[in-house]
Amino acid sequence: GQNIDQPTEMTATEGAIVQINCTYQTSGFNGLFWYQQHAGEAPTFLSYNVLDGLEEKGRFSSFLSRSKGYSYLLLKELQMKDSASYLCAVRDRSFKTIFGAGTRLFVKA
Amino acid sequence: DGGITQSPKYLFRKEGQNVTLSCEQNLNHDAMYWYRQDPGQGLRLIYYSQIVNDFQKGDIAEGYSVSREKKESFPLTVTSAQKNPTAFYLCASSIVPGTGFDTEAFFGQGTRLTVV
Repeated sequence: GQNIDQPTEMTATEGAIVQINCTYQTSGFNGLFWYQQHAGEAPTFLSYNVLDGLEEKGRFSSFLSRSKGYSYLLLKELQMKDSASYLCAVRDRSFKTIFGAGTRLFVKA
Repeated sequence: DGGITQSPKYLFRKEGQNVTLSCEQNLNHDAMYWYRQDPGQGLRLIYYSQIVNDFQKGDIAEGYSVSREKKESFPLTVTSAQKNPTAFYLCASSIVPGTGFDTEAFFGQGTRLTVV
């Protein structure tokens, strides 16, 4: 079956760096997405990786290793507003998107 | 401004009643999706559509129905056959996957349905 694993919860301190890992097993691969979702709100797009390597976008970076079925989202200079759930999602060979359960990040002062 | 709108935000229904959730987008996207989100679980696909008058079942279509009569609209009906309908429902749209490099989905604000 298809599976995406990410930690359930993480806690980090304001101003610090946090890395949220995601491992996946899917039928083929056509890209990996990271979304941010605040409680009770819509997920919003953060990043997209289809080739191996690091994609940087301001305070957020996302890394992909297709051979290892692994990605991480790196958040730098954490702010209180970064407290949210972070969803890893993989598009399989038929372009269907499978979502992980999400990682709830708590940023403390 | 372009976007995707779901209504209502909160919905209460009695058990045994059908209920329809609205989803409208003005992003000119061909693909639209309905997901269900339960605590501790990832988004699960209910139905999706890539073109007007055509739609496909997702992983958990039982007890749900949809229509796609217009490009902008993709309403979801939760029928009385759905055994556990209380959940957070998210509608999304995108360009058709595989036709562009970045095909991220744009989500509506969600509808929280509670069946009592």
